[in-house]
Amino acid sequence: GAVVSQHPSWVICKSGTSVKIECRSLDFQATTMFWYRQFPKQSLMLMATSNEGSKATYEQGVEKDKFLINHASLTLSTLTVTSAHPEDSSFYICSARRSDGQGLRGYTFGSGTRLTVV
Amino acid sequence: RKEVEQDPGPFNVPEGATVAFNCTYSNSASQSFFWYRQDCRKEPKLLMSVYSSGNEDGRFTAQLNRASQYISLLIRDSKLSDSATYLCVASLGDSSYKLIFGSGTRLLVRP
Repeated sequence: GAVVSQHPSWVICKSGTSVKIECRSLDFQATTMFWYRQFPKQSLMLMATSNEGSKATYEQGVEKDKFLINHASLTLSTLTVTSAHPEDSSFYICSARRSDGQGLRGYTFGSGTRLTVV
Repeated sequence: RKEVEQDPGPFNVPEGATVAFNCTYSNSASQSFFWYRQDCRKEPKLLMSVYSSGNEDGRFTAQLNRASQYISLLIRDSKLSDSATYLCVASLGDSSYKLIFGSGTRLLVRP
């Protein structure tokens, strides 16, 4: 089945530093990648949608200069949290939509990255 | 108002019980609906799609009522392994392909 590999699975960083999270689709092409954030006991909140070769579309309230998204190829999308602060500590998950035209069942989630900023 | 609302629970039930979860959505333009399961500190996984005609998969039955903008999930003969958070998800079905997640309902199945 379709697999999305997300790395790292967890990371601890110092306040003010930047962290890059990668999501790779291993056996399919992902024209669209969604990035979510989930705080404890809350739902997944969509942060941005990235399409291969174009700029990401950010949801209202998400700072595009803080959360940099790059989707340079059909199999790789990255999220960089710049100048991280403790309030950015959260569970970040990517989701890839397959480009083979499958219906809305064609989403595959990465395993998530738990970010802790100290 | 949240776009997709769920009772957060937790629902604490004994093994073998039948449990039902409800969900409402606010955007009448929503086209597609799903139930996802999320285990603690894991990514969500698709449980099943939801149709107006109903959808059954083993012990799980999902139902959609478009007039009431209401979605349900019924779990029969609960197993310990069913313990998880169940997420109700809606999509507009437009070119954005966005999924809108509810906050989830937590289920605890006890021996």
